[in-house]
Amino acid sequence: EAGVTQFPSHSVIEKGQTVTLRCDPISGHDNLYWYRRVMGKEIKFLLHFVKESKQDESGMPNNRFLAERTGGTYSTLKVQPAELEDSGVYFCASSQDQNSDNTGELFFGEGSRLTVL
Amino acid sequence: GQNIDQPTEMTATEGAIVQINCTYQTSGFNGLFWYQQHAGEAPTFLSYNVLDGLEEKGRFSSFLSRSKGYSYLLLKELQMKDSASYLCAVRRWAGGGNKLTFGTGTQLKVEL
Repeated sequence: EAGVTQFPSHSVIEKGQTVTLRCDPISGHDNLYWYRRVMGKEIKFLLHFVKESKQDESGMPNNRFLAERTGGTYSTLKVQPAELEDSGVYFCASSQDQNSDNTGELFFGEGSRLTVL
Repeated sequence: GQNIDQPTEMTATEGAIVQINCTYQTSGFNGLFWYQQHAGEAPTFLSYNVLDGLEEKGRFSSFLSRSKGYSYLLLKELQMKDSASYLCAVRRWAGGGNKLTFGTGTQLKVEL
């Protein structure tokens, strides 16, 4: 079974440009999360999709960030225009619903490293 | 708000036992997870506690005390490949959904 896949693995862009990150969750996982790790800090929550709906987007830094999950399958996270402080590793994770048979643990992708110059 | 504390770094010897502690403060507690992350790789699930007590999984065990807001991850028979970052993460139920909050991670170095 394929795990969570993210693309690109690394992106280097200039300030003011646009970048779109893609995440393909594990098939059948309704829950999809975006997290970000800035150098030296903890992995921080950005938002949570349940199928195609945004369940919680309280962690999104500002309106330069736009996440979509059309059709409830893969998701994209667009940063436009990118700023220096957006540099970091963006992790996507997916999970099944928590129930009596399932802890609902998150399965993570390897991350997309974004460098804004 | 939430607060999760764990040591930044630890060093241990191959074959030994190491305990990584994690303290937390949160509302709506719905479980505590430990993840392992090697540099440049995805965090991978190690263990889960939602009730007080010890959960054992091979060389790894995790303990939880909800009243004390405390957990530890115990690694036995350390191997060189166990050198990695260990992330403590607390799940809370909020806004109709689950949210996982991470500590900064403990960088474990296993030496010969």
